[in-house]
Amino acid sequence: EAQVTQNPRYLITVTGKKLTVTCSQNMNHEYMSWYRQDPGLGLRQIYYSMNVEVTDKGDVPEGYKVSRKEKRNFPLILESPSPNQTSLYFCASSTGVLSNQPQHFGDGTRLSIL
Amino acid sequence: DQQVKQNSPSLSVQEGRISILNCDYTNSMFDYFLWYKKYPAEGPTFLISISSIKDKNEDGRFTVFLNKSAKHLSLHIVPSQPGDSAVYFCAASAERGSNFGNEKLTFGTGTRLTIIP
Repeated sequence: EAQVTQNPRYLITVTGKKLTVTCSQNMNHEYMSWYRQDPGLGLRQIYYSMNVEVTDKGDVPEGYKVSRKEKRNFPLILESPSPNQTSLYFCASSTGVLSNQPQHFGDGTRLSIL
Repeated sequence: DQQVKQNSPSLSVQEGRISILNCDYTNSMFDYFLWYKKYPAEGPTFLISISSIKDKNEDGRFTVFLNKSAKHLSLHIVPSQPGDSAVYFCAASAERGSNFGNEKLTFGTGTRLTIIP
């Protein structure tokens, strides 16, 4: 089954404790992206990647890091999480390298930073 | 600065009637638009898209209309069904002349559609 898998689905942690949210897709997609969803703000893009070893900032990259060492994986790293990073996070992937290709989303990761 | 705006946070429509969801944008460089649908506890799923070279795109019960001069697009669902109850996001990208330099996708804030049986 074609899917984008995020882990964990839920996480409660404390300020400053490094965490990684994994994202894996099994569709051989080139484009991958991370979003956060906050009330009243919709979905905002954090980082995206057009291919292996190619990443770039979205609209809200501060406090986040990503890497794309393999085509299928695109982890999101919070080196020193803060309460303002409490949010619902989505990973997405699509064919091609342009953002106008319809994206397949994971089911989300709800992070709470205390 | 919200470049893609969905001014109606919620909308209720009777089953069988037409649902019209609206989206406005400010960036004239946007030339491709997509609609996504999201159920609770799931990720968004792609619904329909339209390029700026068109003013209408239809897929079954779903039609998207684009008015470039007004920087406005709308999603029509007819007839509306209970399974259409979800949050709908419009999104826009600017590919024209991007030369792979602008692959960001900008989403609106979403409209929660409730279909009343």
